[in-house]
Amino acid sequence: QQPVQSPQAVILREGEDAVINCSSSKALYSVHWYRQKHGEAPVFLMILLKGGEQKGHEKISASFNEKKQQSSLYLTASQLSYSGTYFCGTELRSGTYKYIFGTGTRLKVLA
Amino acid sequence: DTAVSQTPKYLVTQMGNDKSIKCEQNLGHDTMYWYKQDSKKFLKIMFSYNNKELIINETVPNRFSPKSPDKAHLNLHINSLELGDSAVYFCASSPGTGDYEQYFGPGTRLTVT
Repeated sequence: QQPVQSPQAVILREGEDAVINCSSSKALYSVHWYRQKHGEAPVFLMILLKGGEQKGHEKISASFNEKKQQSSLYLTASQLSYSGTYFCGTELRSGTYKYIFGTGTRLKVLA
Repeated sequence: DTAVSQTPKYLVTQMGNDKSIKCEQNLGHDTMYWYKQDSKKFLKIMFSYNNKELIINETVPNRFSPKSPDKAHLNLHINSLELGDSAVYFCASSPGTGDYEQYFGPGTRLTVT
């Protein structure tokens, strides 16, 4: 039931791009993206509420494909500060309300 | 000012003991959460309260009991601690359910020996 994120881990050089995917086996109402640095709490990046909606935050953007029950996070021209673990948080509203985090993607940006 | 605070930051205790973790938010939010992050870094929601009412109660052992004395506080009490309870516990809050970002506390690292 936990959304699966891919890749599990990725290493980039500064300036390179990356895509992180989040796939659910259940219909999603919304998707949230968070970044967690080592030893710290998760920090909110963005929320996607409607199917097909794309949001942007500096060089980080995301899309939400409701039909495919998927969301993707796009990191362009990566910076050292992007290193951390990225989680998608998914909201399900079929029947009871549920909120489930994905499996996580560890991202490391090298100078 | 800290938006979401948790105490203690570290908790080391023996199996069988009872312990509590406190959480307070000064953001005026209506919804609060407890999450458990295990050694594999999986984040799992345990409970969620909206206006002091329990709205999410995932499959967690009865030994875990949340208490929300008011909207700004959500405490977690754990009875008869087991080795498998060792993890980092995060408290979070949001203005409401679902359509809002969650603000996380710094976490409490619980070690059961």
